[in-house]
Amino acid sequence: QKEVEQDPGPLSVPEGAIVSLNCTYSNSAFQYFMWYRQYSRKGPELLMYTYSSGNKEDGRFTAQVDKSSKYISLFIRDSQPSDSATYLCAMSHNNAGNMLTFGGGTRLMVKP
Amino acid sequence: DVKVTQSSRYLVKRTGEKVFLECVQDMDHENMFWYRQDPGLGLRLIYFSYDVKMKEKGDIPEGYSVSREKKERFSLILESASTNQTSMYLCASSLLDRNEQYFGPGTRLTVT
Repeated sequence: QKEVEQDPGPLSVPEGAIVSLNCTYSNSAFQYFMWYRQYSRKGPELLMYTYSSGNKEDGRFTAQVDKSSKYISLFIRDSQPSDSATYLCAMSHNNAGNMLTFGGGTRLMVKP
Repeated sequence: DVKVTQSSRYLVKRTGEKVFLECVQDMDHENMFWYRQDPGLGLRLIYFSYDVKMKEKGDIPEGYSVSREKKERFSLILESASTNQTSMYLCASSLLDRNEQYFGPGTRLTVT
């Protein structure tokens, strides 16, 4: 079993829909959680960074962490075709600039 | 904005050739990382470096070496390229004590 699991998709939604992307993990020591967006044939770009449990909002994006369930989510409101990309979750057990553990990514397609 | 650049976007090499992939960052980051990304396997760490001339093995270092002679530059070397090293190679950097990694655009290497 992988340490971090993501449904690879593709997840196809109509424009304007609320999108929910999720990761589950097995290592309870993870405390720092990130979401990256990766467009086709490009490098990942950091979208959201959260620590421990709770919610964090940035524009149309909300990151949610539930450490008790070992489950993190990224919500995208009013989804746009430009949101079509692969979304990767990543996590770490400390903030020491060490290695991150990545999920395999979920491919999202937003149809106009 | 953090800028991480990689020497080539696309590269085609023959089996047995020595291959150099270069990465440069302009934000004075201490940490630099080399990953490969393959469908179904996600991002896997090859090597990372937290200082000039320092290196640490990641999850899959076999068949690779690295060099960090200057803080801003981190090179990945394939001593004798093989077909199973055909992949997307991603470089990233971060501050010494921060988890947020910033990625370059990637190099798609094909070994024939």
